[in-house]
Amino acid sequence: DQQVKQNSPSLSVQEGRISILNCDYTNSMFDYFLWYKKYPAEGPTFLISISSIKDKNEDGRFTVFLNKSAKHLSLHIVPSQPGDSAVYFCAASDYSGNTGKLIFGQGTTLQVKP
Amino acid sequence: DGGITQSPKYLFRKEGQNVTLSCEQNLNHDAMYWYRQDPGQGLRLIYYSQIVNDFQKGDIAEGYSVSREKKESFPLTVTSAQKNPTAFYLCASSISDTQYFGPGTRLTVL
Repeated sequence: DQQVKQNSPSLSVQEGRISILNCDYTNSMFDYFLWYKKYPAEGPTFLISISSIKDKNEDGRFTVFLNKSAKHLSLHIVPSQPGDSAVYFCAASDYSGNTGKLIFGQGTTLQVKP
Repeated sequence: DGGITQSPKYLFRKEGQNVTLSCEQNLNHDAMYWYRQDPGQGLRLIYYSQIVNDFQKGDIAEGYSVSREKKESFPLTVTSAQKNPTAFYLCASSISDTQYFGPGTRLTVL
């Protein structure tokens, strides 16, 4: 049972435009969400996070939006750059057992075309 | 220069052999994690440890074993009981909500 889902396996965007990556979750007990960026054959790099007490968090070109009622979060990248081309994973923190475990989505491959 | 190191980057083993993947961190993080990534899939948790001398099974622990004798080190052994060991293995550590990852080890079992 996939608790965190990224339903779009891939996304292609023109350089300079906005990239919107989506993520849905099923467990209403998740209280912290993260986005990671991953290049092939490398470890994921932390991008941005958001706590469930907020609905928006911004860091430079990256903004994460959280809609708790819809159990949905999205990552906006504006403007998109060719170097943003990578796989993006969303993750949710499962503190139900105070374990600090992260539940990851399947990832979305973003291609930013020059 | 603080960070997480995994060695080696690429590892080849014959079927039926046990193999140990190294993970070291000098971030003074208490918690450490092992994930596996397969093509087209997300990261799946194998084992995690929140403190020295303690570790817990993740979602796909069968065929794997770990130890946590030092805060800095969390080696993962892929045993011959793991049916599909070829994968990209990622180690992470954390001190709060955010996990930080090492560069990964690509294990190929021939």
